[in-house]
Amino acid sequence: EVRLVESGGGLVQPGGSLRLSCVGSGFTFSSSWMHWVRQAPGKGLVWVSRVKSDGTYTNYADSVKGRFTISRDNAKNTLYLQMNSLRAEDTAMYYCAGGDSGYQIFWGQGTLVTVSS
Amino acid sequence: EIVLTQSPGTLSLSPGERATLSCRASQTVSNSYLAWHQQKPGQAPRLLIYHVSTRATGIPDRFSGSGSGTDFTLTISRLAPEDFAVYYCQQYSTSSLTFGGGTKVEIK
Repeated sequence: EVRLVESGGGLVQPGGSLRLSCVGSGFTFSSSWMHWVRQAPGKGLVWVSRVKSDGTYTNYADSVKGRFTISRDNAKNTLYLQMNSLRAEDTAMYYCAGGDSGYQIFWGQGTLVTVSS
Repeated sequence: EIVLTQSPGTLSLSPGERATLSCRASQTVSNSYLAWHQQKPGQAPRLLIYHVSTRATGIPDRFSGSGSGTDFTLTISRLAPEDFAVYYCQQYSTSSLTFGGGTKVEIK
């Protein structure tokens, strides 16, 4: 069974930082592109970032470029999202997803990030 | 960035009816790089279709996708009770991936 389990969400003040983690199992993590997708409360899905299977390529949505960094540790089957300079508009459920370079074949259950003073 | 516009915003139908969901792109989606995802309340999304018309593993054949260029359609031939959900299209033909705003299929 494929599983993706996110952690690291929580309440953080504007301007603060947070690091999300996502542990994968039940599939070949090291062969899979991985993505972060977020969803603000009551809103739609927004793609945030992706990383190639070997970690050599990454790209980001304009809204997070320069503030967020995606990375992975294939030895630990773990995906990360380092989020700096957080803003109120970054408040969302953050989903880890994996599969293809372009589309997400399997999804985690998400971790909630709230940016508020 | 390619903007995807989904219509209608809400579709009110009865079980057994046919659902037709539209996704229109602001520019051509090349190589048929378009997917559809389903999301139920309180749950993570689930991939239904990729490359416009290829069903993901385990997806029933009542779900079908079609289209090309800038106009795409997701069709559910006969709505089952478990199909009432929000559906998102997503393009991956450019480096900046984008989702549509979603269509909610609700019970009439």
